[in-house]
Amino acid sequence: GQQLNQSPQSMFIQEGEDVSMNCTSSSIFNTWLWYKQDPGEGPVLLIALYKAGELTSNGRLTAQFGITRKDSFLNISASIPSDVGIYFCAGQGGEKLTFGTGTRLTIIP
Amino acid sequence: DTAVSQTPKYLVTQMGNDKSIKCEQNLGHDTMYWYKQDSKKFLKIMFSYNNKELIINETVPNRFSPKSPDKAHLNLHINSLELGDSAVYFCASSSYYGYTFGSGTRLTVV
Repeated sequence: GQQLNQSPQSMFIQEGEDVSMNCTSSSIFNTWLWYKQDPGEGPVLLIALYKAGELTSNGRLTAQFGITRKDSFLNISASIPSDVGIYFCAGQGGEKLTFGTGTRLTIIP
Repeated sequence: DTAVSQTPKYLVTQMGNDKSIKCEQNLGHDTMYWYKQDSKKFLKIMFSYNNKELIINETVPNRFSPKSPDKAHLNLHINSLELGDSAVYFCASSSYYGYTFGSGTRLTVV
């Protein structure tokens, strides 16, 4: 099945650093979503993007929906310990979400 | 109040057994899903139901049979369990504003 390419696969950063991750697809999506998954929990929606070119913020998080509708990025500014987890992009086509391969974020003390 | 609840949280069973996972949502959403997350954390849709009707079936072995008695419930029954079925299974529901996922059922087949 289709899979979105997400990079980087993992990141090791120090608290306070900014983080950037992105997602690309061979297909066009009408909606891009970014989720975070904590251990033992389901993915939780962080940001939803509905229009090509849209730039949306949610606190320290900023995400953009690429103009071609085939890519998106997520930035996290001034990382804090609770940002640790796995981040997934997802493209929505109809009722179905296609997820990226995930970016595991680790914060080094 | 838990929006999407799945039971059990953990399930350990032997190969060849039949097991069920239950899911309930109290959000009033019309559409519910089952997703599978493998050991590499890749999430893939298995099934989707809209108001009790099957709308997505993603080439899942027919040992997996979803059942939706009403639009608030979507259960997953698995026959003749195999080692490769070990994974975390997530139930989700959705509205126009997005998806809500349950906390997952970790299935281990031994």
